[in-house]
Amino acid sequence: AQKVTQAQTEISVVEKEDVTLDCVYETRDTTYYLFWYKQPPSGELVFLIRRNSFDEQNEISGRYSWNFQKSTSSFNFTITASQVVDSAVYFCALSDFTGGGNKLTFGTGTQLKVEL
Amino acid sequence: EPEVTQTPSHQVTQMGQEVILRCVPISNHLYFYWYRQILGQKVEFLVSFYNNEISEKSEIFDDQFSVERPDGSNFTLKIRSTKLEDSAMYFCARSGNTEAFFGQGTRLTVV
Repeated sequence: AQKVTQAQTEISVVEKEDVTLDCVYETRDTTYYLFWYKQPPSGELVFLIRRNSFDEQNEISGRYSWNFQKSTSSFNFTITASQVVDSAVYFCALSDFTGGGNKLTFGTGTQLKVEL
Repeated sequence: EPEVTQTPSHQVTQMGQEVILRCVPISNHLYFYWYRQILGQKVEFLVSFYNNEISEKSEIFDDQFSVERPDGSNFTLKIRSTKLEDSAMYFCARSGNTEAFFGQGTRLTVV
């Protein structure tokens, strides 16, 4: 069965600090996708990134970067120079193609608080 | 323009009442999903819907729940007789082979 573990329940940082959110996953699939979503206090799920299992290149997008390591089944997310607007719950998710389609299994989320 | 639009954004209902949550996906993807998020918890899969049929459902999706796509565009989740523990955020999603787009959610409060 698919499983996503986000061991960090809550992280507090001061603005401009770098912060890394951890994600570890379990799957028996050889082809899968990993996602990160941001959930601000307003409640919607904001898509941040998708990676497929064949692409282990790290990715940088502005202040965001992602480190995908298949050997350790990890897909970590780093925010550089954090800002107060980054305060949100961040969810890592893993695709599950059993039953057809692209159902997602979510981690329990990491609450990030960025303070002045 | 959002990929998926959900209505209403917030609904308050009395325990035992029926509620219908609505979702309008923009494109004509074949797979649609409902997820639930109880306050402060993770997002959980409820049901997937493919080609106008349920393709998979979780243990949460019991006989109180039903889904349909009555007019080929709106995708609805019905809860027949709401319980207090049904209070949650409900997300509709549509998915292709790789992406998964979520609606903004409907916050259901059962009192």
